Amino acid sequence: GQSLEQPSEVTAVEGAIVQINCTYQTSGFYGLSWYQQHDGGAPTFLSYNALDGLEETGRFSSFLSRSDSYGYLLLQELQMKDSASYFCAQDNFNKFYFGSGTKLNVKP
Amino acid sequence: SAVISQKPSRDICQRGTSLTIQCQVDSQVTMMFWYRQQPGQSLTLIATANQGSEATYESGFVIDKFPISRPNLTFSTLTVSNLSPEDSSIYLCSGGTENIQYFGAGTRLSVL
Repeated sequence: GQSLEQPSEVTAVEGAIVQINCTYQTSGFYGLSWYQQHDGGAPTFLSYNALDGLEETGRFSSFLSRSDSYGYLLLQELQMKDSASYFCAQDNFNKFYFGSGTKLNVKP
Repeated sequence: SAVISQKPSRDICQRGTSLTIQCQVDSQVTMMFWYRQQPGQSLTLIATANQGSEATYESGFVIDKFPISRPNLTFSTLTVSNLSPEDSSIYLCSGGTENIQYFGAGTRLSVL
């Protein structure tokens, strides 16, 4: 598999903005995805970056920089329901390898 | 989008036995995968389920231990063979197209 590193845990307050970083070592991949997983639930797709730059989907945005070997997920206007684990996943020619995961705690 | 149905949702098995997990997709997907996830941990790719041919396994996973079938585009099974307590985990199937994967709710396996 591949090595994609994320901070293990992040805490933020409702209404704030939080950025979750994902750094990797392997180059030459199709794209970088982000998934959300609530405790006991299935991972759900959030965003996909095939190219460098910012992709915006509502309150969530994702960024990729291949030259810097990193990406991030930006969550705006945090809500309590955003408390979950977030995973980046590298699309290595149609095989998907997941990052270590970040547990986001949103506090009132 | 696609809806992934996975069963059983959980099972408790004796060591030395096997468990077969079924995964059904409600629409045709080009790719299906099987993952393992320990609670609170990341997802580890076990294999790519290939329609009508042998699955492609990741390093550390072998066909004898994790036989996989995919007889058509919408259905796959994973068998976890010769169970040991170390196999206790959550097993997830996913199906998708090029950029997006949809996941089943997972099978929580406990081996006694």
